[in-house]
Amino acid sequence: GEDVEQSLFLSVREGDSSVINCTYTDSSSTYLYWYKQEPGAGLQLLTYIFSNMDMKQDQRLTVLLNKKDKHLSLRIADTQTGDSAIYFCAETLAPDSNYQLIWGAGTKLIIKP
Amino acid sequence: DAMVIQNPRYQVTQFGKPVTLSCSQTLNHNVMYWYQQKSSQAPKLLFHYYDKDFNNEADTPDNFQSRRPNTSFCFLDIRSPGLGDAAMYLCATRTGDQPQHFGDGTRLSIL
Repeated sequence: GEDVEQSLFLSVREGDSSVINCTYTDSSSTYLYWYKQEPGAGLQLLTYIFSNMDMKQDQRLTVLLNKKDKHLSLRIADTQTGDSAIYFCAETLAPDSNYQLIWGAGTKLIIKP
Repeated sequence: DAMVIQNPRYQVTQFGKPVTLSCSQTLNHNVMYWYQQKSSQAPKLLFHYYDKDFNNEADTPDNFQSRRPNTSFCFLDIRSPGLGDAAMYLCATRTGDQPQHFGDGTRLSIL
């Protein structure tokens, strides 16, 4: 069945780059997403990538997609304390799934001073 | 700004007392979702509306109901809340192949 996996925690020093990884099993993924959730808040869409793309960059965020290995990563350059949050990877399958999201468990990003 | 608005942000109810959570949107999206999220786990889809068509997930308890009187509003009704229903409830909207947009959520506590 469909499965999305992420490490539960990542600890980085302020100012360093953070790389959050995600693997998925279903090769019919159409879109892959990164959502950010700060404590007590809703889910904020950070970025997303269509499955025929390899990379997408938006300011400090870089998404890399390796479709062969079914691996997605989110790189945050110059990590700041405001980046402390849980980052969820998610995918949608072919349009027949009505674009429902399949979620990873979330990676908690911890920033060390 | 166009957005998804959930009211209230925090809701406290008594065990067994019906409660309604609301969601409104100014995005004019045709699909609306309700999710339950516990302890920073991944959100769990309860049901969604595609226009007026209601789609219930197989494992959503009968205790949870939803209404969508028009495009802009969607309600989550919990008929007899139990302690296990304490959670964050998230509303999201979508149109076409665009990503889902989430509200800030309502945190429900059960006394």
